[in-house]
Amino acid sequence: AQTVTQSQPEMSVQEAETVTLSCTYDTSESDYYLFWYKQPPSRQMILVIRQEAYKQQNATENRFSVNFQKAAKSFSLKISDSQLGDAAMYFCAYRRDSGNTPLVFGKGTRLSVIA
Amino acid sequence: DVKVTQSSRYLVKRTGEKVFLECVQDMDHENMFWYRQDPGLGLRLIYFSYDVKMKEKGDIPEGYSVSREKKERFSLILESASTNQTSMYLCASSPPQGAPGWYGYTFGSGTRLTVV
Repeated sequence: AQTVTQSQPEMSVQEAETVTLSCTYDTSESDYYLFWYKQPPSRQMILVIRQEAYKQQNATENRFSVNFQKAAKSFSLKISDSQLGDAAMYFCAYRRDSGNTPLVFGKGTRLSVIA
Repeated sequence: DVKVTQSSRYLVKRTGEKVFLECVQDMDHENMFWYRQDPGLGLRLIYFSYDVKMKEKGDIPEGYSVSREKKERFSLILESASTNQTSMYLCASSPPQGAPGWYGYTFGSGTRLTVV
């Protein structure tokens, strides 16, 4: 079974600085998707960024970028120029690219942003 | 704006009660999911459904059942609520594999259930 590990339960960053959240996963599949979701205090889960395993280029979305290392099964999220609104729980997730398989989530990292 | 709506944001129930958590989506999605979220444990899958009247067990189905009589509605049922089912419950939906946007979920805003 696939597993997703987030080894940092909590992180903090100064406003305007850069922070990196770690995620590793375990799978025997070659085709899959990886995601980072953000859950602010409102509880609404928001998709931050998505990476297709077949793409070598790392995904970026404005201030959010990933470092995808397929061989190492690592998928870290970098947040640049951190803002107060970035404070949230961040979940890493995996989905196999076959069948209607559900997302598998990590345990989450709580990010605090210090003004 | 497309939506997944969970009927209650907060719910308090007594031990032994039968509890229904409702989830409705307006995106005509085939796939629907129920997750439970607990601090330090992340999101754990309870049940999911690929189509009307179809259901599959997730990782932690014990003590729960589901119903999907219509495509847009997926209900989670706690047959006899217990205090260890106090948690946040998240519903999500997605299109089938291969359809546009199939890779991601749309989530509801969660139901925080307290069983006393």
